[in-house]
Amino acid sequence: GEDVEQSLFLSVREGDSSVINCTYTDSSSTYLYWYKQEPGAGLQLLTYIFSNMDMKQDQRLTVLLNKKDKHLSLRIADTQTGDSAIYFCAEKGNNFNKFYFGSGTKLNVKP
Amino acid sequence: NAGVTQTPKFQVLKTGQSMTLQCAQDMNHNSMYWYRQDPGMGLRLIYYSASEGTTDKGEVPNGYNVSRLNKREFSLRLESAAPSQTSVYFCASSEVGDFPPTQYFGPGTRLTVL
Repeated sequence: GEDVEQSLFLSVREGDSSVINCTYTDSSSTYLYWYKQEPGAGLQLLTYIFSNMDMKQDQRLTVLLNKKDKHLSLRIADTQTGDSAIYFCAEKGNNFNKFYFGSGTKLNVKP
Repeated sequence: NAGVTQTPKFQVLKTGQSMTLQCAQDMNHNSMYWYRQDPGMGLRLIYYSASEGTTDKGEVPNGYNVSRLNKREFSLRLESAAPSQTSVYFCASSEVGDFPPTQYFGPGTRLTVL
């Protein structure tokens, strides 16, 4: 099946920028997503990018997509303690409505 | 709109016991999914249902069965629970025609098998 890889942990100081990286293998991916999971909760869609875009900005969030290297990143500017959560990268290919998720990156924001 | 709801929130079972996890969505979505989440392994798809009346195996279906009762409800059954099934279970739904196609998740069921 499709592989989506992420590093497991990231620790930053409050006010710094966070960059969470993801690589995927499916070259037919149409959409790529970032989901956020707060402790004890389900996953919530944070942002997405269509495969023909290179960049998408949404307030403090910047998504960069390098299709050639199959690399997706999420940058959170001015990271706050409320951003502490697990962030999942996901991709959707052409296959029906199936989504493939990475293992999640646990972001720890230190005051 | 409640979105996706799951019951129960927590459950403790003994090895060999059976139980059914319930999931319902009120968004009129055709597709529904069951995932399990284990530390360091992310979300793994157990079963999915493309539409009412159809179900298909995902990545880790062994030890589970599902029923798509109607368009709203999709249940997951453990016939004989094993400690390896200790996990957090998430139900999700989506609609093919949505832009962007997005999965909506329930709050999860935390299952411990002793």
